[in-house]
Amino acid sequence: KNQVEQSPQSLIILEGKNCTLQCNYTVSPFSNLRWYKQDTGRGPVSLTIMTFSENTKSNGRYTATLDADTKQSSLHITASQLSDSASYICPGRGGSYIPTFGRGTSLIVHP
Amino acid sequence: GAVVSQHPSRVICKSGTSVKIECRSLDFQATTMFWYRQFPKQSLMLMATSNEGSKATYEQGVEKDKFLINHASLTLSTLTVTSAHPEDSSFYICSTRGSAEKLFFGSGTQLSVL
Repeated sequence: KNQVEQSPQSLIILEGKNCTLQCNYTVSPFSNLRWYKQDTGRGPVSLTIMTFSENTKSNGRYTATLDADTKQSSLHITASQLSDSASYICPGRGGSYIPTFGRGTSLIVHP
Repeated sequence: GAVVSQHPSRVICKSGTSVKIECRSLDFQATTMFWYRQFPKQSLMLMATSNEGSKATYEQGVEKDKFLINHASLTLSTLTVTSAHPEDSSFYICSTRGSAEKLFFGSGTQLSVL
């Protein structure tokens, strides 16, 4: 199984500031890595996908990086907005390629 | 991308009653649907995987007779919580999987059992 560890568990920042979230895989290989954003009381939404051949990918104010050697990925959010307050999750993969989820990182952006 | 419509979004019921949650894949033939449960500030926990035309596969510890899953067509999967009790109160959410293993989630159902 792919096991995932995310850090920090929670993060509070002021609006307009940048932040970086971490995702560490303990088992490889994997075909791709996704970051999801889950607003409270809503379903997760895919933010970005990265494959082994990609080191960085941006989607607006979100930039994801991937180091396949160290099995680490990060999600950098620039110029944070109040609407960025959510949980950010990078799923692992269980048996039969079934996606599994950790608690993610809970981000709170204060005005 | 695929659109998954989940209903109801919120339901309050009395203890002992049954509740049905529907997930419809509106523009995608979902041969597989994942059902998750999420308690406050906790992670999404996979309950079962439903496959169109066959029996669902339940995760360890999930009672298949209590959480009935039906996936009779490529566009509809249902989860029925039978004889609901207060401890079943949770956020239930379905998901289907598209290309490159991208997951498309429903909007979730908040179940409150009194």
